[in-house]
Amino acid sequence: GENVEQHPSTLSVQEGDSAVIKCTYSDSASNYFPWYKQELGKRPQLIIDIRSNVGEKKDQRIAVTLNKTAKHFSLHITETQPEDSAVYFCAATVGYSTLTFGKGTMLLVSP
Amino acid sequence: GAGVSQTPSNKVTEKGKYVELRCDPISGHTALYWYRQSLGQGPEFLIYFQGTGAADDSGLPNDRFFAVRPEGSVSTLKIQRTERGDSAVYLCASSPIAGGSNEQFFGPGTRLTVL
Repeated sequence: GENVEQHPSTLSVQEGDSAVIKCTYSDSASNYFPWYKQELGKRPQLIIDIRSNVGEKKDQRIAVTLNKTAKHFSLHITETQPEDSAVYFCAATVGYSTLTFGKGTMLLVSP
Repeated sequence: GAGVSQTPSNKVTEKGKYVELRCDPISGHTALYWYRQSLGQGPEFLIYFQGTGAADDSGLPNDRFFAVRPEGSVSTLKIQRTERGDSAVYLCASSPIAGGSNEQFFGPGTRLTVL
């Protein structure tokens, strides 16, 4: 089955800096890669996703890149703000099947 | 519109008891997923429904766990003879599928504590 590795497990940045979280996946058939943000005690919420037919997608301060050959994808957050502090999860799946999640990255943005 | 809802939000039970956790998906969403999230971990897949049928139940840890979705909407996750290791947050998600959308919308979860 699919295996998703996520790094780093924790990331501390100063407000205004950029943050990068990296994930690798094992199943070359995976074709959908979402990123979820989860605040303490809250539900995971989708912040951006990418499909295997594109290499990059951007939404304001958030971007995701995908390298299918290397089987890795990354989340980039620019101009970080304290409200970006949360746990971020990457995930991978084939079609409409279940998501396989990474172990999460705790992002702390200090003012 | 209303999002995915789950009840109860918290459930405390004793070892060996039976529990039922309920998920109300977004209206019209064909696919429904159950995940389990332990502290400091990502959600782990349990079971996936397409309509009324379980399309994939390979994530259920053992035969104490069972889930149903009899009318293709509300789903119930049932756990028999609960063990302390079952303590976790149980998350439900739904997805429209129609139109090619993969996005899974999560509920707030049920925090299960087995004493």
